[in-house]
Amino acid sequence: KNQVEQSPQSLIILEGKNCTLQCNYTVSPFSNLRWYKQDTGRGPVSLTIMTFSENTKSNGRYTATLDADTKQSSLHITASQLSDSASYICVVSYNAGGTSYGKLTFGQGTILTVHP
Amino acid sequence: DAGVIQSPRHEVTEMGQEVTLRCKPISGHDYLFWYRQTMMRGLELLIYFNNNVPIDDSGMPEDRFSAKMPNASFSTLKIQPSEPRDSAVYFCASSTRRQTSNQPQHFGDGTRLSIL
Repeated sequence: KNQVEQSPQSLIILEGKNCTLQCNYTVSPFSNLRWYKQDTGRGPVSLTIMTFSENTKSNGRYTATLDADTKQSSLHITASQLSDSASYICVVSYNAGGTSYGKLTFGQGTILTVHP
Repeated sequence: DAGVIQSPRHEVTEMGQEVTLRCKPISGHDYLFWYRQTMMRGLELLIYFNNNVPIDDSGMPEDRFSAKMPNASFSTLKIQPSEPRDSAVYFCASSTRRQTSNQPQHFGDGTRLSIL
């Protein structure tokens, strides 16, 4: 069964500190992995998208890594800011015959709270 | 760029009533997605369109749900009759090209639906 599991479920850190969020998946055949940030009351916003051949991608203070062999990804946030408080969702896409976009499997998200 | 526009932002109605959610995708995007998000189940893809044609509706929970895209700039998600368990936040997103081109999905801010 295709699954995406994220850990931890929630995380509290102090402003300025770094943190790492984890995403493990069993999706196959893998196409790409996306990290989204979702602020309270808003829609998700794309942070990074990685294909099988990419093992790291950065977007400002956000750096995502991908290990396709172990089927693990992480999102590292450097020098956290109060505005980083949000839910972070990992989404894995896999090829599905007959569909042009593939299938998406979603993690439950990690809720990050940054305290001053 | 106005982004993906959803209406209404909030909807409260009694069970049994028909509910229609509306979405205007970003101009030029040829993929449109409808999602549902709840605390229990997280983010779920309901259906997506490519060039106004429904491609994958396997996520639509029941026949009470229907979605249309009469033209490239407008889509509706309809629930008839509505039930309390349909209460959720419904997101619309749009994107260009297929997932293997690694284009991000752009989400609207959602419609918060409450069925009493």
